[in-house]
Amino acid sequence: AQTVTQSQPEMSVQEAETVTLSCTYDTSESNYYLFWYKQPPSRQMILVIRQEAYKQQNATENRFSVNFQKAAKSFSLKISDSQLGDTAMYFCAFMKPRGGSEKLVFGKGTKLTVNP
Amino acid sequence: DVKVTQSSRYLVKRTGEKVFLECVQDMDHENMFWYRQDPGLGLRLIYFSYDVKMKEKGDIPEGYSVSREKKERFSLILESASTNQTSMYLCASSPLGRRKSEAFFGQGTRLTVV
Repeated sequence: AQTVTQSQPEMSVQEAETVTLSCTYDTSESNYYLFWYKQPPSRQMILVIRQEAYKQQNATENRFSVNFQKAAKSFSLKISDSQLGDTAMYFCAFMKPRGGSEKLVFGKGTKLTVNP
Repeated sequence: DVKVTQSSRYLVKRTGEKVFLECVQDMDHENMFWYRQDPGLGLRLIYFSYDVKMKEKGDIPEGYSVSREKKERFSLILESASTNQTSMYLCASSPLGRRKSEAFFGQGTRLTVV
């Protein structure tokens, strides 16, 4: 069974600085998707960034980028130029696509606070 | 705009009641999921479904059942609610096996069992 581990329950960063959230996962599969989701205090969960395991290039979305190390099974999220609106719970997630029964597994989350 | 809608945002039920949590998506997604979210435990998968009338147990299915009679609707049923089922429940849907696959979430239902 796949597991996802986020080792940092809480983190804080000053506005405009850079912060990195850690995620490791355990799987025997070679093809899968990895995600970072954000849940602001209003509760609606939204996708931040997605990485396909067969792609070696790290995904980027504006101020958000990942460091995907497939051999180490590591998938960290870097937030550059942090903004107050980045304050949220961040969840790392894993999905193995197999044409049915695509279970989406989450880590326990990291609570990020951006301080003014 | 894609949408996953959960029938209630807040719900208070009594111990022993049968509780139905409804989720509807308008994106024609094959996969649908029910999670419960508790502080320090993250999102734990209760059940998921990849087709009408198809379901699979997640990590914590005990005390729950699900129903998917139509593609757009996925219901979570608490057969006999207990206080330890007080939690936030999140529904999600995703398309099946596509490269741009991502899950979309509802706004959540805060269930309190008294």
